[in-house]
Formats: sequence, structure tokens, C-alpha cells
Amino acid sequence: QSALTQPASVSGSPGQSITISCTGTSSDVGSYNLVSWYQQHPGKAPKLMIYEGSKRPSGVSNRFSGSKSGNTASLTISGLQAEDEADYYCCSYAGSRVFGGGTKLTVL
Amino acid sequence: QVQLQESGPGLVKPSETLSLTCTVSGGSVSSGSYYWSWIRQPPGKGLEWIGYIYYSGSTNYNPSLKSRVTISVDTSKNQFSLKLSSVTAADTAVYYCARDVRTAMAPDYWGQGTLVTVSS
Repeated sequence: QSALTQPASVSGSPGQSITISCTGTSSDVGSYNLVSWYQQHPGKAPKLMIYEGSKRPSGVSNRFSGSKSGNTASLTISGLQAEDEADYYCCSYAGSRVFGGGTKLTVL
Repeated sequence: QVQLQESGPGLVKPSETLSLTCTVSGGSVSSGSYYWSWIRQPPGKGLEWIGYIYYSGSTNYNPSLKSRVTISVDTSKNQFSLKLSSVTAADTAVYYCARDVRTAMAPDYWGQGTLVTVSS
């Protein structure tokens, strides 16, 4: 199983919206609505932000949303805030689990 | 609220076996709703899923690591463990244990992580 493909970095200004893509194949992202997204601040454990493609765990801001089209899943963060600056990882079910390579979000 | 805590040696010699334990509090490894996973992150790199175990003892491993990995569970101690054999410097990483929601196929609660360095 190969890692899912994410852009290495994205950036945006406070208040703007950004989208992070996560491209897989018909064997993982394309076959299951089981993509999750994680936020990781430096030196911290990852935090679940989205599961089952578009569902938010309790306590996660509604500024975070997820979607999927074909073999590509996306995470959108609206109303960017300074504290959103972090690394973001996607993860898909594929009989097992496969992660994306991660995207560094910079809030300008 | 469930909490997970990794424990084990922070330094392992090349060719030896890495052994870590995850102690779960605030929840039970015997719950049928969850898998119990190990995930690692080499310094400065991304996340890699290692594998998971169900309370019954059934396992699922990353194919790239399968020949070297063993995950076990001890329901009496509310713990699960990881063994990775024949380690090399490439196995140096922060190792996380996590609770994995079966229906969502997503790790939701994670331990703080423990750095394991492979070096002589």
C-alpha cells in the first residue's frame, strides 16, 4: 500500500479559507467513505478533526469540514485562525490503514 | 475520558527487538467497539500505521512491517503491546498507541507518544 498524496504545504491569511487535498486510489479513498483527518502541532500527538469523510468529533470547530470526490478527499478550514497553523494528515481505510504524507499549514 | 500511555525503553540496539506497552485508563481494551493501534512517526517525517489488535486477539498489520511486528493484548491489565524485531536505524521514531473506532476506521484517542532510538 502506498501513502496517500497530500501537498507538502499550504498557506492562507487569517479569516480566509484553505483546502488540503488527499489523493489515493480506487483501492482506498475511492472505495470507502472512511477518510479521517488529523491536526498535529509540533511536539504533540495528532488530534482527530474529521472522520468518515465529513463528520466532526464533539468539540471540533465547525470551521473544519471534509468532503470526497472520486479518489480525492479534501479538508477545508474556513475563517483561518493563527492556532490552525499545524501539520495535517489524512488517513484512509484500505483493508488496513494508510496515511498521507502530511501538509504543513502556515497562517500568514 | 480515555487516556493512553506508552512505556518502554527509549534506546534499542540494532538487530534487537523493540518492545512497548500501552496502558489504557478511562476505558477498556475489552470493548467490542474499538481496535487498539500502534502508529509511528520518524523524526521530521509523516505518520505510519503499524497495526492494530482487537480484544479477541485478532490482528491486522501494515504489510510492509508484517514480518517483524507482533501486537498482543492483556485484558487483565488493560494493556496492549508492540514488539518489532530486527530493528535498524530506520525504525527510530516516536511511537504512538491509539484507540481506533471500528465503525469509523479512525484512531480517535492517542497517547502522548514515546521516542525510541535505534543505536548501538
